[in-house]
Amino acid sequence: AQTVTQSQPEMSVQEAETVTLSCTYDTSESNYYLFWYKQPPSRQMILVIRQEAYKQQNATENRFSVNFQKAAKSFSLKISDSQLGDTAMYFCAFMKDNNDMRFGAGTRLTVKP
Amino acid sequence: GAGVSQSPRYKVAKRGQDVALRCDPISGHVSLFWYQQALGQGPEFLTYFQNEAQLDKSGLPSDRFFAERPEGSVSTLKIQRTQQEDSAVYLCASSLVLAGRGSNQPQHFGDGTRLSIL
Repeated sequence: AQTVTQSQPEMSVQEAETVTLSCTYDTSESNYYLFWYKQPPSRQMILVIRQEAYKQQNATENRFSVNFQKAAKSFSLKISDSQLGDTAMYFCAFMKDNNDMRFGAGTRLTVKP
Repeated sequence: GAGVSQSPRYKVAKRGQDVALRCDPISGHVSLFWYQQALGQGPEFLTYFQNEAQLDKSGLPSDRFFAERPEGSVSTLKIQRTQQEDSAVYLCASSLVLAGRGSNQPQHFGDGTRLSIL
């Protein structure tokens, strides 16, 4: 079974600053996919960024980037130039062969003006 | 609409009643997933469909939970004889590709149904 751990229940950051959210996972698979989803109060899960395990290059999407350390089974999310609209729950997720996703417990991020 | 649609958005039921939650996936999406999200937690997998076939129902917590997708499009999650521990947000997600293809196609989520059992 795959498990995903997010060790930071809550984080806060000042607007325009940078914040890093941590995620570790446990799996015996060699190929898999990792995702960060954002869930605002509206409840919809919004994909932020994704990473294929076979790619060594870290994924980047505008202000969002990841630090993927396969050997350490670590997948952290860095948000640069934080905006008030980034305030939300952030979930790290693991997926194998496009089957069900395993989510972490989430990190509640608050961006302060 | 272009996204995954779930209804109702909110559902309140008395303990012991049966409920039915609906999910309308993105048109053409082959895979459909149901998740249960308890307050303050991440979503937990319930079941998965590939077209009309239910390929994995290992996450369903009891035999009171039943899901179907008879025509490979709209899916219904039914909970019989509801109990208070069933209170949660139920999320539906769909994906374009078939399982096992090794694609990185993400799952697209609906807004969920918040179920409250009194």
